[in-house]
This record gives sequence, structure tokens and C-alpha cells, in this order.
Amino acid sequence: KNEVEQSPQNLTAQEGEFITINCSYSVGISALHWLQQHPGGGIVSLFMLSSGKKKHGRLIATINIQEKHSSLHITASHPRDSAVYICAVETARQLTFGSGTQLTVLP
Amino acid sequence: NAGVMQNPRHLVRRRGQEARLRCSPMKGHSHVYWYRQLPEEGLKFMVYLQKENIIDESGMPKERFSAEFPKEGPSILRIQQVVRGDSAAYFCASSRQGGETQYFGPGTRLLVL
Repeated sequence: KNEVEQSPQNLTAQEGEFITINCSYSVGISALHWLQQHPGGGIVSLFMLSSGKKKHGRLIATINIQEKHSSLHITASHPRDSAVYICAVETARQLTFGSGTQLTVLP
Repeated sequence: NAGVMQNPRHLVRRRGQEARLRCSPMKGHSHVYWYRQLPEEGLKFMVYLQKENIIDESGMPKERFSAEFPKEGPSILRIQQVVRGDSAAYFCASSRQGGETQYFGPGTRLLVL
């Protein structure tokens, strides 16, 4: 069993839809990261959180430490949000990555 | 403030050659991390360095791979005697302190012929 499980693996949405990507982990962590990998391969760090909730623009990330679960929400999705979204957990300064969720937002 | 720089962006090597990948962290960042993304696979941690120190190399293959982060200059990931299985995207990230947000470079795509 992987330490970090993401769901769904693939997600197709219509423009404007509310999107949720889930991440579950099995180990104690110091922080959880959400990353975005663009079709060209570049990686952008979206959020780093250890408790509660963070919001940046149309993106919201939440984490429940007791349940070892995090969600990434995208409100009013847009085709430019199409990318791979990766959850990663941090333990002892080392990141362990989920396999990613391929999001496609159709116009 | 320039982001994390990696060069080259693309590198082609023949089997048996050496590959040197460079990473210049963001200004003010003294912590560097290297990750590898094999084709159709997820990212995997390789090594974590501070200036002149390797903090954690538990993700690095024991042979042919080495990393350094000298007092001056970029961090270098060195792969000796490359094999086809080394073909991957290698990403570097940096942070100001350990445990803070890591900022990723654009990656180096290594292709071994």
C-alpha cells in the first residue's frame, strides 16, 4: 500500500464546475503539500499546510490531521486549470508523493 | 527575485557517459532537494542538501549517483556511466529553511540513448 493515495486518478470537468481532489496518507507527517504540474512538465507549489485550511484565489486546501486526509478544491474551474495535481507528505524533511490526479477542464 | 534555475533543460547522453545536472536555488535559500520523475511514474525523493552538507541521501541509488552543494556555486547532481533507465526528469527544489515551502525548478530532462 502506498503511503500517499490520491483520488481520483483522472478527472474531467466542465468549465465552471467545483472540483475536489482527495489525498489520504498513512504516516505521521510534519506538513502536506499540494503541487501542480503543467503539461509542459513544470511544477508549482500551491499549498503547504499542517492544519486547517488555506485559500489562494479559486483554490482551497484543507487537512484533517486526525483522519490523515486532505482535499484540494477548485472553484469555478477553467480550462487553464488543466494539469496534474500532486499531493505530497513531508516527513523528516523528505517529501513522499502521490501518483497525481490528471484534471482536464473542458470549455 | 529569480526562481530556482536548472540547467541544462534537456540533456542527451549515450550509455556510459556522465551527466551533470545543475541547480541554482532561489536567492536566500540554503536548502536544496533533488527529485526524479521516471516516465509514467510519480516523483521520488533523491537527496536533501544544505550548503556543503548532505543531510539525507536515502533516495539516491547507491552506485553511479552523487550530489553536492558547495559553499559557492550551484548544486550538482552527477550520474556516472549513465544507462537507459536513468532517462527521466530531474527536478530540483529549494527552501529558505528546512520545513518551509519548497520552490521547484523547471527540471532537466535526461535522455540516455
